[in-house]
Amino acid sequence: AQKITQTQPGMFVQEKEAVTLDCTYDTSDQSYGLFWYKQPSSGEMIFLIYQGSYDEQNATEGRYSLNFQKARKSANLVISASQLGDSAMYFCAMRKDRGQNFVFGPGTRLSVLP
Amino acid sequence: EPEVTQTPSHQVTQMGQEVILRCVPISNHLYFYWYRQILGQKVEFLVSFYNNEISEKSEIFDDQFSVERPDGSNFTLKIRSTKLEDSAMYFCASSSDREDQPQHFGDGTRLSIL
Repeated sequence: AQKITQTQPGMFVQEKEAVTLDCTYDTSDQSYGLFWYKQPSSGEMIFLIYQGSYDEQNATEGRYSLNFQKARKSANLVISASQLGDSAMYFCAMRKDRGQNFVFGPGTRLSVLP
Repeated sequence: EPEVTQTPSHQVTQMGQEVILRCVPISNHLYFYWYRQILGQKVEFLVSFYNNEISEKSEIFDDQFSVERPDGSNFTLKIRSTKLEDSAMYFCASSSDREDQPQHFGDGTRLSIL
C-alpha cells in the first residue's frame, strides 16, 4: 500500500526567505506521480507542482520547485522568496497511475512571518 | 480556466437524513472522485468513477454512500442516513487521462450533521 509522510506538522518562515517542506513516500510501484497541493484557510485545494517518477529533472513552477530524490523516496517542496500569501496547509500526494486516486500526507501548516 | 464546481458550499442536515452533494466536473475530464476531510485532518479518498461506474472505493465508502452521474455533466454523492461522524468537508475532483495532469478539486461542500 502507498503511504505519504510529512514529518513537519507546522513550519515558520520569514517573509522573502526560502523554505523546504518535507515529504517521504512508500510504494512498491515503479511508476507513480507526486503532487503538492496548497490549502489556504478558505479551504480550497490548489495544485502547485507535479513530479513523475521517471522524470530525471526536478520539477519547477515559478517560486515552487521539487527536490526529488527517488532512491530516498523523498519529494520535498521548496518555496523560494516566501510571501505572506503562502501561509497555508501544504499536502503532498501520490498517485499510482492516471485515473487512480490520490493518497495524501497529513499536511504541513506553513506560517510566513512579516 | 475551466473549474470543478460544487453545490452547496455548506449543508446542514439532521442525523439520519439523506443528503446529496453535487458536483460539475471539468467537461472533458474522464475520471471523477470524491474525497473528504474531517476538520483539521488529512484528505481521505472515498471513491473514483470512470466510464459510468465505480473504479475504486475506500473502506469509508460503505453501503450508506452512493455515487451517480445522472446526466452528462453532474456527479453526485449521496449519503443515505447521515451520522454525526459524516460531518466533514467533501471535495469533488476530476482529471484527464494524462498522467502528468493533476486532479482538479472543487471548493468543497462543508457538511454539518446535527
